[in-house]
Amino acid sequence: DAGVIQSPRHEVTEMGQEVTLRCKPISGHDYLFWYRQTMMRGLELLIYFNNNVPIDDSGMPEDRFSAKMPNASFSTLKIQPSEPRDSAVYFCASSLAGLSEQFFGPGTRLTVL
Amino acid sequence: QKEVEQNSGPLSVPEGAIASLNCTYSDRGSQSFFWYRQYSGKSPELIMFIYSNGDKEDGRFTAQLNKASQYVSLLIRDSQPSDSATYLCAVNSGTGNQFYFGTGTSLTVIP
Repeated sequence: DAGVIQSPRHEVTEMGQEVTLRCKPISGHDYLFWYRQTMMRGLELLIYFNNNVPIDDSGMPEDRFSAKMPNASFSTLKIQPSEPRDSAVYFCASSLAGLSEQFFGPGTRLTVL
Repeated sequence: QKEVEQNSGPLSVPEGAIASLNCTYSDRGSQSFFWYRQYSGKSPELIMFIYSNGDKEDGRFTAQLNKASQYVSLLIRDSQPSDSATYLCAVNSGTGNQFYFGTGTSLTVIP
């Protein structure tokens, strides 16, 4: 299996622009997670889906962030408008068994100028 | 109080020594505990999980859980330079709906 795939790997944008991050989970995994990692706050769970349905989005920082999972093989995390404090590495992860053994993608490094 | 706390380190041990990494958590109802390893610039990868009090061994790695004291630890025996990484402790909340990571402990194994 190819593992979790994320794109783009790097994104540099200007404040106020819309950013869309993409994720393809491991085939057959029912759970998909979006995380954000910064030096100050570490790894934070933003939102997760089970069978394409959002289960818990309490970690989404504010309304500028939204996530969708239109089918079992694709999810997006959108930030609109982006701000410099959104600069971080965003990871997508998937699992077969809920909030347990999660497999992480390579991450997207986002820089907002 | 953070849900999961770790000493950020850095922790340095000589090659061949035992590295001991510790983690405490605040939710007494937590049931599942995980250790992830993250090399610099890479994504986290799961190395151990433990659900019951006591020790769980996997090769050079031993996870220890003490629910009464709300701590979980990871021992790495015969440490190798390739073990140099940041180790993240993660806990599934008592409700089962949330997952919290610690900020990680940086480990350096000196040849």
